[in-house]
Amino acid sequence: KQEVTQIPAALSVPEGENLVLNCSFTDSAIYNLQWFRQDPGKGLTSLLLIQSSQREQTSGRLNASLDKSSGRSTLYIAASQPGDSATYLCAYVRIGGTSYGKLTFGQGTILTVHP
Amino acid sequence: EPEVTQTPSHQVTQMGQEVILRCVPISNHLYFYWYRQILGQKVEFLVSFYNNEISEKSEIFDDQFSVERPDGSNFTLKIRSTKLEDSAMYFCASKGQGWNEQFFGPGTRLTVL
Repeated sequence: KQEVTQIPAALSVPEGENLVLNCSFTDSAIYNLQWFRQDPGKGLTSLLLIQSSQREQTSGRLNASLDKSSGRSTLYIAASQPGDSATYLCAYVRIGGTSYGKLTFGQGTILTVHP
Repeated sequence: EPEVTQTPSHQVTQMGQEVILRCVPISNHLYFYWYRQILGQKVEFLVSFYNNEISEKSEIFDDQFSVERPDGSNFTLKIRSTKLEDSAMYFCASKGQGWNEQFFGPGTRLTVL
């Protein structure tokens, strides 16, 4: 059974800090990996998508990397702001089989950025 | 910017009743999905739908569940006889051709009493 683990489960930081969220997976047959943000009681907002042929993607203050050989992805948030407070989820799509883009999710990291 | 929409935002029903959750995917997308998230748990895949048929389903998606794309815009999830354990947030998602990102709707919170 493919597993996705996110560490830490929760993180509280002061505003302005740079921080790293970790995602590890046991499945090596990854086609792409997607990072999402989820606000309490809300839907999932896509932040970044990394294809398996890529090593990283950047959007504004966010940078995500993917290392398939070690089964890890990291999401780096620069100069964190209180508005970044949310749950961050990673999820991947598996290569091949009958997959039509089914996402397998981690349990998320709850981020709190305090002023 | 195009977005996935879902109605209703919150549905309360009695155990044993049928519910239909509705989604309008992004208009030029071809792949459609339902996921659910029980409170405090991971987001779980339920079913994918492509070319007017189910392409993949999880073990959760048993005979009580069905999906339909009744016209060119709506995508529905029906639960025939709801159980207490069906209480969850249900998310619809869609994506275009190729292995690109999925876009999620805001979710429907289903509460079964």
